[in-house]
Amino acid sequence: QVQLVESGGGVVQPGRSLRLSCAASGFIFSNYGMHWVRQAPGKGLEWLAVVSYGGKTQYYADSVKGRFTISRDNSKNTMYLQINSLRDEDSATYYCAKEPYTYTSDWYWDYWGQGTLVTVSS
Amino acid sequence: EIVLTQSPGTLSLSPGERATLSCRASQSVRDNYLAWYQQKPGQGPRLLIYAASSRATGVPDRFSGSGSGTDFTLTISSLEPEDFAVYSCQQYGASPTFGQGTKVEIK
Repeated sequence: QVQLVESGGGVVQPGRSLRLSCAASGFIFSNYGMHWVRQAPGKGLEWLAVVSYGGKTQYYADSVKGRFTISRDNSKNTMYLQINSLRDEDSATYYCAKEPYTYTSDWYWDYWGQGTLVTVSS
Repeated sequence: EIVLTQSPGTLSLSPGERATLSCRASQSVRDNYLAWYQQKPGQGPRLLIYAASSRATGVPDRFSGSGSGTDFTLTISSLEPEDFAVYSCQQYGASPTFGQGTKVEIK
């Protein structure tokens, strides 16, 4: 069965960097676009970024462009999110999510991970 | 950016009752590319509906989606105990955005 497992969250000081990982299993990872979505405590969901199935194309929400970098390693069935210059407002649960169809770009998601919590605090 | 506004914020109902959740977009959603998700505490969202009215695999038929343009509705025909959760709409006709969620709680 499809599994997405995020890791790498924790308590981080403002201004520092963090790399989140999403380990995928149960499907052919290299055939699907993958996304990061976050949810601040008590708030709604916010889409952050997408990486194409082959890893060559990335798109970002305007709110994180320039500070966040999405990437993937299809040989390891893993996606990453590099977050630089962390701010208080980056405190959230970060989810990875899988697109529903191969080789297309339908930006809704049929499987999500359980999330990894990032807390930015001095 | 397309802003999605969900109403009501909280819906208090009893098992067996019908739930009607609304999602209104600030501008027309291209091709009715609207999805609905269910989320329970400590879990990632679960896809229920895509393309406004298509049920995702494995979703019970008590869940249905309708609407077009700027007004969309998720209906749960008869609430089961496991349906009490937060429901969010999301548009993907443009850069993805979500509504703030509707909590369906036990009355």
